[in-house]
Amino acid sequence: KAGVTQTPRYLIKTRGQQVTLSCSPISGHRSVSWYQQTPGQGLQFLFEYFSETQRNKGNFPGRFSGRQFSNSRSEMNVSTLELGDSALYLCASGQGFRDTQYFGPGTRLTVL
Amino acid sequence: GESVGLHLPTLSVQEGDNSIINCAYSNSASDYFIWYKQESGKGPQFIIDIRSNMDKRQGQRVTVLLNKTVKHLSLQIAATQPGDSAVYFCAESYRTGGFKTIFGAGTRLFVKA
Repeated sequence: KAGVTQTPRYLIKTRGQQVTLSCSPISGHRSVSWYQQTPGQGLQFLFEYFSETQRNKGNFPGRFSGRQFSNSRSEMNVSTLELGDSALYLCASGQGFRDTQYFGPGTRLTVL
Repeated sequence: GESVGLHLPTLSVQEGDNSIINCAYSNSASDYFIWYKQESGKGPQFIIDIRSNMDKRQGQRVTVLLNKTVKHLSLQIAATQPGDSAVYFCAESYRTGGFKTIFGAGTRLFVKA
C-alpha cells in the first residue's frame, strides 16, 4: 500500500497570504489528523477528521481550518499567514477510532 | 537534514548496548500510548503502542513499559544500532469527543559506532 502523501513538500509564502495543504491518507483509512511541528513547540495537534466530520480540534486560532472529502483526502488552510506559522505540517491517517496513526513526510512551510 | 528540536534531551549509547528512553505523560485519563521515531527530514514513524490495560508490550527489539501509578512510559531498545539514531517521541491519547493525541517533547538518541 502507498503511504500517506502530502503536497506540496515545500512552500514559501509571505505574511498575510493564505495557504492550502493537501493530504492523501493510506487507502482504506478514514481518519486524518493534522499536526504542526516547530523546534520550539514540538508536535502540536491541530485537528482530526473522520468520515468528513471534524471530531476534535487543538488550541489554534481560527485562521487554521481544515476539511475532509468523501474519499478521505484532507486539506488544511491557513489564512493571513504570520511569521510564526513557519513549521512542518504533518498529516497522519488511521483506519478508524484510536487506531495506529501513520504519518506522511510533511509539508515544510516557510513564511517570509 | 531538518532539525525536529534544537534543545531536546539527548541520550548517547554505544552500538550494541541497550537504550532506555523515558517519558512522563500528563493526563490521567490517557488510555493509549504510542512511541514514534523521527529521522531527519521525515515524518514520525510508528514503533510500538500500548493500551492502559497493559503494563508491558514487546516488539522486535523494542519493549514499552507503562506505569500508570506515576504516569511514566519507557521505551527499551535492545542491541542499539546506528540506524536507531533519531528523535523518539512518546504520545498519549485520550477521549474527548473523538480522540486527541498529545506528543512529548522528544528525546534525541545518538548511537556511537
